Amino acid sequence: AQTVTQSQPEMSVQEAETVTLSCTYDTSENNYYLFWYKQPPSRQMILVIRQEAYKQQNATENRFSVNFQKAAKSFSLKISDSQLGDTAMYFCAFRAAGGTSYGKLTFGQGTILTVHP
Amino acid sequence: ETGVTQTPRHLVMGMTNKKSLKCEQHLGHNAMYWYKQSAKKPLELMFVYNFKEQTENNSVPSRFSPECPNSSHLFLHLHTLQPEDSALYLCASSPVGLAGGPGTGELFFGEGSRLTVL
Repeated sequence: AQTVTQSQPEMSVQEAETVTLSCTYDTSENNYYLFWYKQPPSRQMILVIRQEAYKQQNATENRFSVNFQKAAKSFSLKISDSQLGDTAMYFCAFRAAGGTSYGKLTFGQGTILTVHP
Repeated sequence: ETGVTQTPRHLVMGMTNKKSLKCEQHLGHNAMYWYKQSAKKPLELMFVYNFKEQTENNSVPSRFSPECPNSSHLFLHLHTLQPEDSALYLCASSPVGLAGGPGTGELFFGEGSRLTVL
């Protein structure tokens, strides 16, 4: 079974600053996907960024980037130039790539990020 | 119109009531899911449906009964719930890859139904 751990229940950052959210996971799988999802106060969860485990290059999406360390089973999210609209709960999630896993994501506990003006 | 719509957004029910949560997706996906989100706990997968067939029941108590009449609609029927069942219930959908493969892995979520059991 997979586990995902987010050790920071809450984080805060000043607008325009950079913040990094931590995530570690445990798995015996070799091929998998990792995700960061964002859940704003309006509650609809949306995908922020995705990383395929077989890709060595870290994924980036505009102001969002990840630091994927496969050997260390670490997958942190860096948000650059933080904006007020980034205030949300962020979830790290894992999904095995093979078998009948379909959309069976294993989520971490979440990190509440508050961006201050 | 959002891709995944859940109703009602809020529901308060007594332990002896019977109610249902509804989810509808307009994305043409073939897989749908129910997740439970409780405070200070990771999201818990409850049920998975692929092409209307239930492929996962994550040891969910029988007081929760899912129904998937077609690939676009998913229900969660609630009966004789307990106060600890109070939570946000999230519906999600995803495309299913070729030959049941993984696709992109991304889930598309609804806004959730906030359930309070008195």
